[in-house]
Amino acid sequence: DSGVTQTPKHLITATGQRVTLRCSPRSGDLSVYWYQQSLDQGLQFLIQYYNGEERAKGNILERFSAQQFPDLHSELNLSSLELGDSALYFCASSHTGTGGDRKQFFGPGTRLTVL
Amino acid sequence: GENVEQHPSTLSVQEGDSAVIKCTYSDSASNYFPWYKQELGKGPQLIIDIRSNVGEKKDQRIAVTLNKTAKHFSLHITETQPEDSAVYFCAAVTQGGSEKLVFGKGTKLTVNP
Repeated sequence: DSGVTQTPKHLITATGQRVTLRCSPRSGDLSVYWYQQSLDQGLQFLIQYYNGEERAKGNILERFSAQQFPDLHSELNLSSLELGDSALYFCASSHTGTGGDRKQFFGPGTRLTVL
Repeated sequence: GENVEQHPSTLSVQEGDSAVIKCTYSDSASNYFPWYKQELGKGPQLIIDIRSNVGEKKDQRIAVTLNKTAKHFSLHITETQPEDSAVYFCAAVTQGGSEKLVFGKGTKLTVNP
Protein backbone atom coordinates (compact mmCIF):
# COMPACT_ATOMS: atom_id res chain seq x y z
CA ASP A 1 0.00 0.00 0.00
CA SER A 2 1.56 3.29 -1.18
CA GLY A 3 -0.51 5.51 1.11
CA VAL A 4 -2.08 7.31 -1.85
CA THR A 5 -5.83 6.80 -2.12
CA GLN A 6 -8.05 7.30 -5.14
CA THR A 7 -11.80 7.17 -5.55
CA PRO A 8 -13.76 5.83 -7.22
CA LYS A 9 -12.03 2.64 -8.34
CA HIS A 10 -14.26 2.28 -11.39
CA LEU A 11 -16.38 4.78 -13.25
CA ILE A 12 -18.71 4.06 -16.16
CA THR A 13 -20.37 6.97 -17.89
CA ALA A 14 -21.68 8.14 -21.24
CA THR A 15 -20.20 10.42 -23.87
CA GLY A 16 -20.74 14.10 -23.19
CA GLN A 17 -20.86 13.63 -19.42
CA ARG A 18 -18.63 15.11 -16.72
CA VAL A 19 -16.88 13.18 -13.95
CA THR A 20 -14.66 13.99 -10.99
CA LEU A 21 -11.80 11.79 -9.82
CA ARG A 22 -10.46 12.24 -6.31
CA CYS A 23 -7.00 11.68 -4.87
CA SER A 24 -5.59 11.91 -1.35
CA PRO A 25 -1.78 12.05 -1.21
CA ARG A 26 0.44 10.34 1.34
CA SER A 27 0.57 12.06 4.66
CA GLY A 28 3.08 14.92 4.47
CA ASP A 29 3.35 14.95 0.68
CA LEU A 30 2.83 18.37 -0.87
CA SER A 31 2.92 17.47 -4.56
CA VAL A 32 0.20 15.67 -6.48
CA TYR A 33 0.58 14.45 -10.04
CA TRP A 34 -2.05 13.07 -12.40
CA TYR A 35 -1.21 10.54 -15.09
CA GLN A 36 -3.31 8.83 -17.76
CA GLN A 37 -2.59 5.25 -18.82
CA SER A 38 -3.99 3.95 -22.08
CA LEU A 39 -2.98 1.05 -24.31
CA ASP A 40 -1.90 3.24 -27.21
CA GLN A 41 -0.31 6.17 -25.33
CA GLY A 42 1.15 4.40 -22.30
CA LEU A 43 1.62 6.41 -19.11
CA GLN A 44 1.32 10.13 -19.79
CA PHE A 45 1.74 13.03 -17.41
CA LEU A 46 -1.27 15.34 -17.23
CA ILE A 47 -0.73 17.92 -14.52
CA GLN A 48 1.09 18.62 -11.25
CA TYR A 49 0.08 20.61 -8.19
CA TYR A 50 2.34 21.66 -5.38
CA ASN A 51 0.88 22.91 -2.10
CA GLY A 52 -2.30 24.10 -3.77
CA GLU A 53 -0.78 25.70 -6.84
CA GLU A 54 -0.42 24.39 -10.36
CA ARG A 55 3.24 23.56 -11.01
CA ALA A 56 3.29 22.02 -14.48
CA LYS A 57 1.03 20.91 -17.30
CA GLY A 58 1.57 18.05 -19.68
CA ASN A 59 -0.63 16.68 -22.42
CA ILE A 60 -3.84 17.64 -20.68
CA LEU A 61 -6.87 18.42 -22.81
CA GLU A 62 -8.71 21.69 -22.34
CA ARG A 63 -11.78 19.63 -21.37
CA PHE A 64 -9.82 18.41 -18.35
CA SER A 65 -9.02 20.47 -15.27
CA ALA A 66 -7.69 19.83 -11.80
CA GLN A 67 -7.24 21.50 -8.47
CA GLN A 68 -5.57 20.86 -5.14
CA PHE A 69 -7.39 21.87 -2.00
CA PRO A 70 -6.03 23.31 1.29
CA ASP A 71 -6.06 19.82 2.85
CA LEU A 72 -3.86 18.77 -0.14
CA HIS A 73 -6.31 16.35 -1.69
CA SER A 74 -6.77 16.81 -5.42
CA GLU A 75 -9.58 16.39 -7.91
CA LEU A 76 -9.35 15.81 -11.65
CA ASN A 77 -12.40 16.96 -13.58
CA LEU A 78 -13.10 15.49 -17.01
CA SER A 79 -15.88 17.05 -19.06
CA SER A 80 -17.54 16.54 -22.45
CA LEU A 81 -16.28 12.99 -22.28
CA GLU A 82 -15.40 11.11 -25.46
CA LEU A 83 -14.89 7.42 -26.10
CA GLY A 84 -11.16 8.04 -26.34
CA ASP A 85 -11.03 9.30 -22.76
CA SER A 86 -11.54 5.75 -21.52
CA ALA A 87 -8.35 4.95 -19.62
CA LEU A 88 -6.79 4.41 -16.24
CA TYR A 89 -6.15 7.62 -14.34
CA PHE A 90 -3.46 7.57 -11.67
CA CYS A 91 -2.59 10.02 -9.01
CA ALA A 92 0.90 10.11 -7.53
CA SER A 93 2.34 12.13 -4.69
CA SER A 94 5.78 13.20 -3.56
CA HIS A 95 7.09 15.20 -0.63
CA THR A 96 8.47 18.07 -2.64
CA GLY A 97 7.77 19.57 -6.01
CA THR A 98 11.31 19.90 -7.14
CA GLY A 99 14.67 18.63 -5.96
CA GLY A 100 14.80 17.02 -2.55
CA ASP A 101 13.09 13.66 -2.21
CA ARG A 102 11.93 12.96 -5.75
CA LYS A 103 10.21 9.64 -5.21
CA GLN A 104 6.68 9.53 -6.54
CA PHE A 105 4.19 7.05 -5.07
CA PHE A 106 1.18 6.01 -7.08
CA GLY A 107 -2.37 5.32 -6.04
CA PRO A 108 -4.40 2.32 -7.22
CA GLY A 109 -6.01 4.31 -10.03
CA THR A 110 -9.49 5.00 -11.34
CA ARG A 111 -10.63 3.04 -14.37
CA LEU A 112 -12.84 5.27 -16.51
CA THR A 113 -15.05 3.72 -19.16
CA VAL A 114 -16.93 6.04 -21.51
CA LEU A 115 -19.76 4.34 -23.41
CA GLY B 1 11.02 17.35 -24.63
CA GLU B 2 12.29 14.15 -23.09
CA ASN B 3 11.70 10.86 -24.85
CA VAL B 4 12.32 7.47 -23.24
CA GLU B 5 12.69 4.27 -25.26
CA GLN B 6 12.40 0.90 -23.49
CA HIS B 7 13.38 -2.59 -24.68
CA PRO B 8 12.32 -5.32 -24.90
CA SER B 9 8.55 -4.97 -24.85
CA THR B 10 8.18 -8.57 -23.65
CA LEU B 11 10.63 -10.80 -21.82
CA SER B 12 10.19 -14.41 -20.77
CA VAL B 13 12.70 -16.12 -18.45
CA GLN B 14 12.95 -19.28 -16.42
CA GLU B 15 12.75 -19.04 -12.66
CA GLY B 16 16.21 -18.43 -11.24
CA ASP B 17 17.53 -16.76 -14.38
CA SER B 18 18.41 -13.08 -14.65
CA ALA B 19 16.37 -10.46 -16.50
CA VAL B 20 17.65 -7.22 -18.00
CA ILE B 21 15.53 -4.33 -19.25
CA LYS B 22 17.12 -1.39 -21.05
CA CYS B 23 16.07 2.22 -21.52
CA THR B 24 17.50 5.16 -23.38
CA TYR B 25 16.65 8.80 -22.88
CA SER B 26 17.07 11.82 -25.11
CA ASP B 27 17.44 14.84 -22.81
CA SER B 28 20.92 15.19 -21.34
CA ALA B 29 19.40 17.39 -18.60
CA SER B 30 17.54 14.39 -17.15
CA ASN B 31 19.04 13.50 -13.80
CA TYR B 32 16.67 11.12 -12.00
CA PHE B 33 15.64 7.67 -13.20
CA PRO B 34 13.09 5.58 -11.30
CA TRP B 35 11.81 2.12 -12.15
CA TYR B 36 8.26 0.99 -11.50
CA LYS B 37 6.61 -2.42 -11.34
CA GLN B 38 2.95 -2.66 -12.24
CA GLU B 39 0.92 -5.75 -11.47
CA LEU B 40 -2.43 -6.39 -13.07
CA GLY B 41 -5.12 -4.10 -11.69
CA LYS B 42 -2.71 -2.09 -9.55
CA GLY B 43 -0.90 1.19 -9.71
CA PRO B 44 2.82 1.45 -10.53
CA GLN B 45 5.03 0.59 -7.57
CA LEU B 46 8.44 2.25 -7.20
CA ILE B 47 11.06 -0.50 -6.93
CA ILE B 48 14.36 1.34 -7.33
CA ASP B 49 15.67 4.70 -8.48
CA ILE B 50 18.99 6.28 -9.36
CA ARG B 51 20.29 9.81 -9.60
CA SER B 52 22.62 10.96 -12.34
CA ASN B 53 25.58 11.37 -9.98
CA VAL B 54 25.56 7.61 -9.31
CA GLY B 55 26.55 4.89 -11.77
CA GLU B 56 24.98 1.89 -10.08
CA LYS B 57 22.58 1.10 -7.27
CA LYS B 58 21.60 -2.24 -5.83
CA ASP B 59 18.77 -3.41 -3.59
CA GLN B 60 18.82 -7.14 -2.89
CA ARG B 61 18.02 -8.88 -6.22
CA ILE B 62 17.44 -5.65 -8.10
CA ALA B 63 20.09 -3.34 -9.52
CA VAL B 64 20.07 -0.35 -11.82
CA THR B 65 22.99 0.95 -13.87
CA LEU B 66 23.29 4.33 -15.53
CA ASN B 67 25.54 5.43 -18.38
CA LYS B 68 25.19 9.19 -18.70
CA THR B 69 27.47 9.45 -21.70
CA ALA B 70 25.43 7.00 -23.72
CA LYS B 71 22.18 8.18 -22.11
CA HIS B 72 20.98 4.76 -21.18
CA PHE B 73 20.06 2.95 -17.99
CA SER B 74 19.16 -0.64 -17.24
CA LEU B 75 17.29 -2.71 -14.68
CA HIS B 76 18.80 -6.04 -13.65
CA ILE B 77 16.82 -8.63 -11.72
CA THR B 78 18.73 -11.67 -10.52
CA GLU B 79 17.39 -15.02 -9.31
CA THR B 80 13.98 -14.26 -10.76
CA GLN B 81 10.87 -15.63 -9.08
CA PRO B 82 7.32 -16.09 -10.42
CA GLU B 83 6.19 -13.12 -8.30
CA ASP B 84 8.52 -10.91 -10.33
CA SER B 85 6.12 -11.35 -13.26
CA ALA B 86 4.65 -7.91 -14.03
CA VAL B 87 5.04 -4.94 -16.35
CA TYR B 88 8.10 -2.84 -15.62
CA PHE B 89 8.40 0.82 -16.57
CA CYS B 90 11.46 3.00 -16.67
CA ALA B 91 11.12 6.76 -16.37
CA ALA B 92 13.21 9.90 -16.53
CA VAL B 93 12.90 13.26 -14.84
CA THR B 94 14.51 16.38 -16.23
CA GLN B 95 16.25 18.83 -13.92
CA GLY B 96 14.52 22.10 -13.21
CA GLY B 97 10.83 22.95 -12.97
CA SER B 98 8.37 20.09 -12.83
CA GLU B 99 9.26 16.67 -11.53
CA LYS B 100 7.01 15.02 -14.11
CA LEU B 101 7.88 11.45 -15.00
CA VAL B 102 8.40 10.60 -18.66
CA PHE B 103 7.83 6.87 -19.01
CA GLY B 104 9.02 4.20 -21.38
CA LYS B 105 6.37 1.98 -22.98
CA GLY B 106 6.89 -0.85 -20.52
CA THR B 107 8.27 -4.40 -20.51
CA LYS B 108 6.04 -7.35 -19.71
CA LEU B 109 8.19 -9.80 -17.76
CA THR B 110 7.05 -13.39 -17.39
CA VAL B 111 8.94 -15.71 -15.06
CA ASN B 112 8.15 -19.34 -15.80
CA PRO B 113 8.29 -21.78 -12.85
